[in-house]
Amino acid sequence: NAGVTQTPKFQVLKTGQSMTLQCAQDMNHNSMYWYRQDPGMGLRLIYYSASEGTTDKGEVPNGYNVSRLNKREFSLRLESAAPSQTSVYFCASRAPPPLNIQYFGAGTRLSVL
Amino acid sequence: KNQVEQSPQSLIILEGKNCTLQCNYTVSPFSNLRWYKQDTGRGPVSLTIMTFSENTKSNGRYTATLDADTKQSSLHITASQLSDSASYICVVRVSNDYKLSFGAGTTVTVRA
Repeated sequence: NAGVTQTPKFQVLKTGQSMTLQCAQDMNHNSMYWYRQDPGMGLRLIYYSASEGTTDKGEVPNGYNVSRLNKREFSLRLESAAPSQTSVYFCASRAPPPLNIQYFGAGTRLSVL
Repeated sequence: KNQVEQSPQSLIILEGKNCTLQCNYTVSPFSNLRWYKQDTGRGPVSLTIMTFSENTKSNGRYTATLDADTKQSSLHITASQLSDSASYICVVRVSNDYKLSFGAGTTVTVRA
């Protein structure tokens, strides 16, 4: 039971570099989410995908792009990393109603120098 | 703006003792409230989900309460164990929207 798998677990970037965070779920969920978690703050939604082929902006989308490659995979791309993007990134998928529980990956810890 | 406030920010308790965490929210219209447990270096894991009509829900040694009138919830941990050391996050969902509002969490440290 892998659930939600995120790669990489850790990454250090220099300002201006680009990278893609990968996320895959094996629970056949339609909806997937990308969040960032910063000290002293609640998780904030970056982008979400209600189903394969659709994506929508969340609360803090600036500086990020996403791709819902297929039902299993939802990637997050930083085109030109900035120090303000230093954070822990979580991917989640949501079980359908009536459960509606979001299942989270283990996170990617990103530092931008 | 929908907000979720948690208190205390952190607490330390001795193994075997009880503790209660608080959550106040201004989210409207309310759909449900969830408590998640997040171990260090891991993603959050759901503990309980409570709808408008539910006052209390238990999951083992965890008991959540909800007062929808005052928009307050609490999470009570009974007979704490070392494995209860974690961050506990209160999450509220708005009706007809699958987006969630997250509190900043309460960090609980259980000491032997």
